[in-house]
Amino acid sequence: DTEVTQTPKHLVMGMTNKKSLKCEQHMGHRAMYWYKQKAKKPPELMFVYSYEKLSINESVPSRFSPECPNSSLLNLHLHALQPEDSALYLCASSQVRTGGNEQFFGPGTRLTVL
Amino acid sequence: AQKVTQAQTEISVVEKEDVTLDCVYETRDTTYYLFWYKQPPSGELVFLIRRNSFDEQNEISGRYSWNFQKSTSSFNFTITASQVVDSAVYFCALSVETSYDKVIFGPGTSLSVIP
Repeated sequence: DTEVTQTPKHLVMGMTNKKSLKCEQHMGHRAMYWYKQKAKKPPELMFVYSYEKLSINESVPSRFSPECPNSSLLNLHLHALQPEDSALYLCASSQVRTGGNEQFFGPGTRLTVL
Repeated sequence: AQKVTQAQTEISVVEKEDVTLDCVYETRDTTYYLFWYKQPPSGELVFLIRRNSFDEQNEISGRYSWNFQKSTSSFNFTITASQVVDSAVYFCALSVETSYDKVIFGPGTSLSVIP
């Protein structure tokens, strides 16, 4: 299985809502990533988990809260978002080794904040 | 600091034409890795190739070929006999040994192949 799955595909939420994005992979990868991508821009790294521990937080606002319950699952909890947080949220996974880890991406969740 | 530049924002070609997407990178690290990803309109990024800084051999995979030149810090991507299915945004990316979890993406080149 060489697939990264993400749910939901689309999400519309209000600024006071709490929602979660989910990501799953069964490739045995021990590194998982969250990216945010605005239209016509490259992906921007948000968080990296390595062996289920948060290894990188790119100064992301606390209204985004990542969680890695096990080696196959990655969640992104959303609370009190702003309209400018509307974007495509991409999950990726890779092996953990020194350097050159090609990442495998999911199809993304397209988030709209009203 | 690392940087990836893709000077071509948008390219349009007619089907069956060859097209080259340019990528120029900057890093002071001696060990680094270069990637190309494809993002079709569906949104999912698809990994195409990885190259490490010690391997300057060019690579060909079907209609795709890559030209890595350390002397000019370039890693260009050529599609031969383009097809409509090649229409996508293509990202060149870089990671370095000292922070291998972080991939620096270029701004992307949007390729449209017209039938």
